[in-house]
Amino acid sequence: DSGVTQTPKHLITATGQRVTLRCSPRSGDLSVYWYQQSLDQGLQFLIQYYNGEERAKGNILERFSAQQFPDLHSELNLSSLELGDSALYFCASSVDVGLLFGDGYTFGSGTRLTVV
Amino acid sequence: DQQVKQNSPSLSVQEGRISILNCDYTNSMFDYFLWYKKYPAEGPTFLISISSIKDKNEDGRFTVFLNKSAKHLSLHIVPSQPGDSAVYFCAASPTGANSKLTFGKGITLSVRP
Repeated sequence: DSGVTQTPKHLITATGQRVTLRCSPRSGDLSVYWYQQSLDQGLQFLIQYYNGEERAKGNILERFSAQQFPDLHSELNLSSLELGDSALYFCASSVDVGLLFGDGYTFGSGTRLTVV
Repeated sequence: DQQVKQNSPSLSVQEGRISILNCDYTNSMFDYFLWYKKYPAEGPTFLISISSIKDKNEDGRFTVFLNKSAKHLSLHIVPSQPGDSAVYFCAASPTGANSKLTFGKGITLSVRP
């Protein structure tokens, strides 16, 4: 158990639908990152939150949005789903807003989204 | 634009031999490099890191080498064990506020008994 909790583990939904993925960071971590891993692709950075505020955006589609709540858990909302959105979605957390030498991100076990 | 490249998708080695996993990067602002290991149905786990002020970092059977001039790093696993069979991701980042990790596509390592 890495300390980062993601729910649900699996999600199957139809095209056009909307889903919410949830992430609870490791205790004490203030930053939350969302990554997408599609077939044959590496981990693509989507978005970062630090202590409730958006800090960095990557290749996140306009149909996707995220937020971090006062208790530091984060949700990734995916709407108007398409077949190509099928992927593993990982949440990671870290203590600080940026990387410190010797530190890294702690990842959750991911949510596997299948759009049919 | 792929800033971190792991050009070999897979590697197979015999148990007890050395595994060498390679990674190249293009962004000169990267000065912190990490390797993550991922088993099926689990998230990536941090393995070893190196900063740009070093050219080598060792942790048990794992050693990471950094060649800044070539923008190349490698992970050596000696001796390789069947339990090392996993996907290995190379990641890089600038340091500082709002820095984020950029990952390669990963290499699937298979260690044959």
